[in-house]
Amino acid sequence: AQKITQTQPGMFVQEKEAVTLDCTYDTSDQSYGLFWYKQPSSGEMIFLIYQGSYDEQNATEGRYSLNFQKARKSANLVISASQLGDSAMYFCAMREGGYNTDKLIFGTGTRLQVFP
Amino acid sequence: GAVVSQHPSWVICKSGTSVKIECRSLDFQATTMFWYRQFPKQSLMLMATSNEGSKATYEQGVEKDKFLINHASLTLSTLTVTSAHPEDSSFYICSARPLGSVGQETQYFGPGTRLLVL
Repeated sequence: AQKITQTQPGMFVQEKEAVTLDCTYDTSDQSYGLFWYKQPSSGEMIFLIYQGSYDEQNATEGRYSLNFQKARKSANLVISASQLGDSAMYFCAMREGGYNTDKLIFGTGTRLQVFP
Repeated sequence: GAVVSQHPSWVICKSGTSVKIECRSLDFQATTMFWYRQFPKQSLMLMATSNEGSKATYEQGVEKDKFLINHASLTLSTLTVTSAHPEDSSFYICSARPLGSVGQETQYFGPGTRLLVL
């Protein structure tokens, strides 16, 4: 079974609009972490936002917020006020286990295209 | 912020040759570094976990004799693709975990190395 599932291979959004990128995960661990990374065409992986499994509030970082629904095992990324520079691949990733466990499992990614 | 560099950023080589890729943490020490491979339009797949001063831990299906990893210091890990073949052509990305770090952003990624084997 897939540990991280991103069902949207591609998404389009108009500039200044909000967009939600879906991510569901599968784990039996109680302690885990969820990450979102942005990968522009240059290839670098840019960390966007993190949600710990014990965090009660949804994480926010500027225009990025994570809609964490633990019971549904989903961790959707919301980008508000999209900008042309947001066009990139977006990967959801999970770290199972505690803080000393570092293996990240990545989803297949969603390509976001922002148009004027 | 924490910066990880990779060298080279691009490499083209002939089939049968070996290629070495360096991953350096520039402004922090890293006890653990990770090597990922990404094929076009696919996700990142962890190849191995590299710990300073000890042998790397390879993921299932990754040939340790083909992908040699050396983590010689707290700021440098190298991946050597031995006897490279066209199917080894890929984007190789490293990441590094700062010494003593806990919590969220535990891995900082390098910019990646594109390998093309002819």
